[in-house]
Amino acid sequence: AQSVTQLDSHVSVSEGTPVLLRCNYSSSYSPSLFWYVQHPNKGLQLLLKYTSAATLVKGINGFEAEFKKSETSFHLTKPSAHMSDAAEYFCVVSYNTDKLIFGTGTRLQVFP
Amino acid sequence: SAVISQKPSRDICQRGTSLTIQCQVDSQVTMMFWYRQQPGQSLTLIATANQGSEATYESGFVIDKFPISRPNLTFSTLTVSNMSPEDSSIYLCSVEDRNRGGFGYTFGSGTRLTVV
Repeated sequence: AQSVTQLDSHVSVSEGTPVLLRCNYSSSYSPSLFWYVQHPNKGLQLLLKYTSAATLVKGINGFEAEFKKSETSFHLTKPSAHMSDAAEYFCVVSYNTDKLIFGTGTRLQVFP
Repeated sequence: SAVISQKPSRDICQRGTSLTIQCQVDSQVTMMFWYRQQPGQSLTLIATANQGSEATYESGFVIDKFPISRPNLTFSTLTVSNMSPEDSSIYLCSVEDRNRGGFGYTFGSGTRLTVV
């Protein structure tokens, strides 16, 4: 079955330290991959997307993700966390259809 | 990018009643999607709505419980029928946004439904 797995339900970092949010996908077909962020009581915002172009994808707010086919991974990183990055992050996959499959989400906490 | 207006933003409803959620897009789109996000959970696709045809429902969702209308290319409604407390969730609509230099999906701000 087509799926996406977010390996951590919660991640806590100190402000100014790197962020790593992990995501793996099932490898049936060439996927399109997305990261979305959801701040409390706010809508979903697209951070970045991978659609078979460059494997290193740069997104908004300093986030980036690298598509690694050999590892079936699409981890989200940021060199230096900011307090405003505290939110829920969703890794999302689409397999040549218009249907999006959401991961279970990772809640990022940022401590001062 | 597309802009979606979703209404209402939140509601508290009595069990056994129905609520209709509206999504208005500022541009014409072929497909609109409806999602449910249960408390503390991820998003689950309810159905895909194409203009001029019946919506396509995902496993576990039925038309009698979640009837959808799609009268034109910029508007859709989702009705949550005969509500029970288990229907308390955030409901979101989404459209594919081909103006993002590839494709991406824009989401409405959601409707937070509480059934009492």
